[in-house]
Order: sequence, then structure tokens, then C-alpha cells
Amino acid sequence: EDKVVQSPLSLVVHEGDTVTLNCSYEVTNFRSLLWYKQEKKAPTFLFMLTSSGIEKKSGRLSSILDKKELFSILNITATQTGDSAVYLCAVGNYGGSQGNLIFGKGTKLSVKP
Amino acid sequence: KAGVTQTPRYLIKTRGQQVTLSCSPISGHRSVSWYQQTPGQGLQFLFEYFSETQRNKGNFPGRFSGRQFSNSRSEMNVSTLELGDSALYLCASSFFPPETQYFGPGTRLLVL
Repeated sequence: EDKVVQSPLSLVVHEGDTVTLNCSYEVTNFRSLLWYKQEKKAPTFLFMLTSSGIEKKSGRLSSILDKKELFSILNITATQTGDSAVYLCAVGNYGGSQGNLIFGKGTKLSVKP
Repeated sequence: KAGVTQTPRYLIKTRGQQVTLSCSPISGHRSVSWYQQTPGQGLQFLFEYFSETQRNKGNFPGRFSGRQFSNSRSEMNVSTLELGDSALYLCASSFFPPETQYFGPGTRLLVL
């Protein structure tokens, strides 16, 4: 069965720290890897990665994909309390009993002032 | 452009009852997927609809069903509710499968 594993499951840092969240996957028919941020509501889309080695950036967030080693990282620099959330990694495939997106369990990030 | 909307936002039911949840996708999106989210299991795929046809179904019992209408709006139904059905039910839409999915706010269901 396809799976997506995120680590760590939870993380506590202080404002200004830099964090790295990990996502590894074993998915047949890989199409893309997506990162979402979930606060106490719906997951909001952050990035979609399809090619190895090309970094995507949005402000203090960045992400990169390694299709050879089957993992991705999400970096957040100069963290702020507003970054506190669950970060979800999802791998897109071409459908099946697990759907088009297979999610990891998420990393809960807590940023303390 | 309006996002994905879901109604109702909160629901309390008792065991044995049935419930219907509604999802309106982003305008122009024709694919709708449903997920169940619980603290222990994370996001689990329920089913996906495209052009009124169910394309994929997750490993959930037959008590869970859904449909999609010609305007792409979707409903899911859970019959004979069990305590374990208490969860956040999320709907996500995309232009076509398998494109990037955008999530609605969810319906939080509590079964007593």
C-alpha cells in the first residue's frame, strides 16, 4: 500500500528559529508532492512540487523534492507564532482506493514567543 | 473567486441516525473529493467524483455514500451513524483529477 511518512510528528520552537519538516513517501504512479498548512480549519495549499532539485519559495517558506531518495523537506525560516499549525504532506498519484492525494499524518509545529 | 463551501459546519447526531453533508466546489472546478479527518488516523480518503461519476472510493463501509450533481456540487451521506464516525469531514475541489485540491472549511460531526 502507498504511504507517506512525516517527521517529526510534533515540534516546539521559539520565534526566530528555523525549522525543517520532513516527508518521505512510497507511492506508485507518483505525480506530485504537495504541502498544506492546517490551523483550526481547512488545510490551505502551500506548494506543489513535481521536479527534483527545484526549490519553491514563498516568503519565509521553501520546499524541495528529491525523487531519487523519495523525500521532500519544508523549511521555515525566522519562525513566527502565526506559523503554529499542522503541516501536511500529500503525494498525488493517478487515483485508486487511496484517492488522488495520499496524506501523511502531519507535523504539529508550535512556535513560542 | 469564492472558495469551497461546506454545510453545515457543525452537526450533532445520535447513534443510528443518518446525516447528509453538502459541498459546493470552487466555480469551474469539476472534481470533488471527500476526506474524513480524525486525530488518530489523519486524513483518510472517502471518495472522489468527476462529472457526476464516482471515480475512486476509499476503504470505508457501505454506510458512506455520495453523489455529485450536474452543477458539480456534491453530497455525502452516512447512514446508521456510529460513535466512531465522529470526525471532521473535508471536501476538496480541483479543475480535473488529479490536479491540486483546495479544501473547504469542513463539517465537524459529533455522534453521541
